[in-house]
Amino acid sequence: DGGITQSPKYLFRKEGQNVTLSCEQNLNHDAMYWYRQDPGQGLRLIYYSQIVNDFQKGDIAEGYSVSREKKESFPLTVTSAQKNPTAFYLCASSPRTSWELFFGEGSRLTVL
Amino acid sequence: AQSVTQLDSQVPVFEEAPVELRCNYSSSVSVYLFWYVQYPNQGLQLLLKYLSGSTLVKGINGFEAEFNKSQTSFHLRKPSVHISDTAEYFCAVKESNFGNEKLTFGTGTRLTIIP
Repeated sequence: DGGITQSPKYLFRKEGQNVTLSCEQNLNHDAMYWYRQDPGQGLRLIYYSQIVNDFQKGDIAEGYSVSREKKESFPLTVTSAQKNPTAFYLCASSPRTSWELFFGEGSRLTVL
Repeated sequence: AQSVTQLDSQVPVFEEAPVELRCNYSSSVSVYLFWYVQYPNQGLQLLLKYLSGSTLVKGINGFEAEFNKSQTSFHLRKPSVHISDTAEYFCAVKESNFGNEKLTFGTGTRLTIIP
C-alpha cells in the first residue's frame, strides 16, 4: 500500500541524547515536511524539503536537523540542543499539484 | 505572512445535531485552504480543500466548508454529527504565490459528540 511510514511510534530517551526519527514515503511525492505537535498549539513546522539534497528551516528549526539524500526518505534528528524535545512528531509529504499533505501515524518522543 | 485562527478550542455537540467549526485566516495574497481531522494518536487526514472555483466545498464524512473572501473565513459544517466524528479538527492555509511552500495550521478544535 502507498503511504508514509514513521518509526518508531514511541521512543524514550535520556536528556542529552540525540534521537533520529525515520520517515519514508512511497507516494513519489517531491515535498516532505516535519511538524511538531504539542497540546493546544496545533502543528508547528520544523523543516521541509521540496527536492532531494535541499531543505529549508520552518518556524521552529532550532535544535533539529534533517537530511534529504533520497526522494523517499526525510529523517529528523532531535539534538541535545532542543530545549523541550518531548512531543508528538508528524511527517508529511505532498505532491506539488494539489498541495494536499499526506501524514504518517506520528512518533511520540519522551525525554526523561 | 499567512496565519490562521481557530477561536474555539473545544466544541461539545449532541449526537445528530448540526455543528460549525470556525476558521479565520490572514494573508496579503490569495490562499489555498484546508481542513484536516485527527483521531487520537494518529496522523492527520484531509477532510476537504479549497484551491479555486466554487466557494462551497464538500468533503468526506458529510462535511462541507464555505470560503468567504470578504470575511476571510473558511468555516467547517456538518448538518448532523455522529459519535464517530469525535476528533480534533485543524484548519490550514497556504499562500498561492510561487515560492511559498509552507502550510500553516491553526491550533485545532476538539469536537466532542455527546450521546
